[in-house]
Amino acid sequence: DAGVIQSPRHEVTEMGQEVTLRCKPISGHNSLFWYRQTMMRGLELLIYFNNNVPIDDSGMPEDRFSAKMPNASFSTLKIQPSEPRDSAVYFCASSPSTRSSYNEQFFGPGTRLTVL
Amino acid sequence: AQSVTQLGSHVSVSEGALVLLRCNYSSSVPPYLFWYVQYPNQGLQLLLKYTTGATLVKGINGFEAEFKKSETSFHLTKPSAHMSDAAEYFCAVQNSGNTPLVFGKGTRLSVIA
Repeated sequence: DAGVIQSPRHEVTEMGQEVTLRCKPISGHNSLFWYRQTMMRGLELLIYFNNNVPIDDSGMPEDRFSAKMPNASFSTLKIQPSEPRDSAVYFCASSPSTRSSYNEQFFGPGTRLTVL
Repeated sequence: AQSVTQLGSHVSVSEGALVLLRCNYSSSVPPYLFWYVQYPNQGLQLLLKYTTGATLVKGINGFEAEFKKSETSFHLTKPSAHMSDAAEYFCAVQNSGNTPLVFGKGTRLSVIA
């Protein structure tokens, strides 16, 4: 299995531009999580989906951020317009839903976003 | 609400010395507890986890951690540090199967030759 795939791995953009981050979860996993990592705040949840449905988006900073999961194999995180304070590493993670009470989350390599 | 506190943002040890990274948590329900490791410019890798059962759990690369409910702690240890252990370590808590992880701020481990 290829693991969780994220693209691009690095993105440099200018303030005001639209940025789209992409994630392909592991096949068969039906929970998907977007996390953001910054020096100041560490790792924090932005939003997560179960079976393509957003469950909790309380971590999304503001209306400039939006996330979609149109099908089980693809999710996007969009920032429009981007600001320098959005510079961070964005991680996608997926996990299966089984009868087990615990299901491991597998992380992608992350997208390092720099907004100038 | 759940929270995780990692004492020490940076820990430095000599090669061959004991590694001890501290983690305390707060949770209103019995939690699942995790340690992740992040090498430079890479994603997070699960080091070990506690879900139920034995409170001393062993993970990869010789690491282990002990869940102490009375102390709300889940400290990570390794008897003898290797240069390759230099990385960032994150403690995390989860209150049920498919819910998000809540992470501590991380501890950067440096290993001195």
